Amino acid sequence: NAGVTQTPKFQVLKTGQSMTLQCAQDMNHEYMSWYRQDPGMGLRLIHYSVGAGITDQGEVPNGYNVSRSTTEDFPLRLLSAAPSQTSVYFCASSSSVFNYGYTFGSGTRLTVV
Amino acid sequence: KNQVEQSPQSLIILEGKNCTLQCNYTVSPFSNLRWYKQDTGRGPVSLTIMTFSENTKSNGRYTATLDADTKQSSLHITASQLSDSASYICVVSEDSNYQLIWGAGTKLIIKP
Repeated sequence: NAGVTQTPKFQVLKTGQSMTLQCAQDMNHEYMSWYRQDPGMGLRLIHYSVGAGITDQGEVPNGYNVSRSTTEDFPLRLLSAAPSQTSVYFCASSSSVFNYGYTFGSGTRLTVV
Repeated sequence: KNQVEQSPQSLIILEGKNCTLQCNYTVSPFSNLRWYKQDTGRGPVSLTIMTFSENTKSNGRYTATLDADTKQSSLHITASQLSDSASYICVVSEDSNYQLIWGAGTKLIIKP
């Protein structure tokens, strides 16, 4: 079982570029979410999905888009990268929105210059 | 405002020693509290979950306590090992929605 797979592990972008962070899980989990982790701060929720075709905004959604066309995949798109989006991004999944025992991916470290 | 505060920010102890990490929260209404362990360069991994009615829960050498009246939790690590070096994150869920409030974590370093 691969669990939650995130790609790429590292990425450097120039200001204004766009890119997609990939997240895939093979556990048939309904709930998936994206977090960003910055030094000295708790994880902050960007977007989440309670099932295929359903997405919603979290605490810090500006500058990011998501879609959930399948149960397995939940990509995060940066529309026009800004230095403030330099962070470590984590994708997490769980069997349902009520199950807080999340399985996390290993993260994507993004630097915007 | 719902907040989760952890102390200390960082802690260095010798291998084999015990330690206790603290978590204070202001989340209301409270649903449950989790402790996660995050190794450097990895995603967090759940250690324990505690609901309102639970006071203590153990997972091997990790023991979490919860005092819902004072809104405090602690994570006690017994006979520390080098592999315990990690950040430990306290997470509280609010009963009225699906979202979690994450603490900033305590960075624990175990020295041989």
